[in-house]
Amino acid sequence: DGGITQSPKYLFRKEGQNVTLSCEQNLNHDAMYWYRQDPGQGLRLIYYSQIVNDFQKGDIAEGYSVSREKKESFPLTVTSAQKNPTAFYLCASSIDPYQPQHFGDGTRLSIL
Amino acid sequence: RKEVEQDPGPFNVPEGATVAFNCTYSNSASQSFFWYRQDCRKEPKLLMSVYSSGNEDGRFTAQLNRASQYISLLIRDSKLSDSATYLCVVNPTSGGYQKVTFGTGTKLQVIP
Repeated sequence: DGGITQSPKYLFRKEGQNVTLSCEQNLNHDAMYWYRQDPGQGLRLIYYSQIVNDFQKGDIAEGYSVSREKKESFPLTVTSAQKNPTAFYLCASSIDPYQPQHFGDGTRLSIL
Repeated sequence: RKEVEQDPGPFNVPEGATVAFNCTYSNSASQSFFWYRQDCRKEPKLLMSVYSSGNEDGRFTAQLNRASQYISLLIRDSKLSDSATYLCVVNPTSGGYQKVTFGTGTKLQVIP
C-alpha cells in the first residue's frame, strides 16, 4: 500500500541534543512538508520541498534543518537551538503544491 | 487579516442536527481549497475538495464563494463519529513558490 511513514512514533530528547525525525513516502509525490502542532493549536509549517535537492523555510524554521536528497525521503532534524521542541510533528506529501496533502501519522517529541 | 480564518468553536450539536462551518481566506487569487478532518491526537485526513460549483459527498457538502472569499462545509444528520476538528486548507496561486495555508480548525462535538 502506498503511504507516508513517519518514525519513530514517540521520541524523547535530552537538553542540548539534536534528533532526527524520519519521513518516507512511496506515493511518488514531488512535494513534501513538515509541520509542527502544539496542543490545541493549528498546524505551523516548518519546511517544505517541492522537488529533490530543493527546500524552503516555512513560518517557524529556526532551530530546525532538513534535507531532500531523495524523492522519497524528507528527514527533519530538531537541533539544540530549538528551545521548545515538545510538540506533535507531522510530515505530508502531495503530487504538487496545488493538490491535497497526505499526512503521516506523526511523531510526538518530548524533552526529558 | 489572517490568510485563512476559522471559528475555533467548539460547536456542540445534538445527533441528527445539521451544522455548517465557514472559512475565510485573504488571497483572492487562491486556486484550490480542501476540507480536512483531524481526530484528537491524530493526523489530518482529507475529507473533500471544494469545487467552484459546489460538491457533495454523502452527508457532506462543500461550497466556495469566491466573491466573498470563503468556503463552507455543511454536515447533515450529524453522527457521534463526526466529532473532530475540521481544518480548511487554501492552496497557493498558480506560478511561483507559495505555500499551502491551513486554518486553525473548527472543533465539532456531536452529543447523544
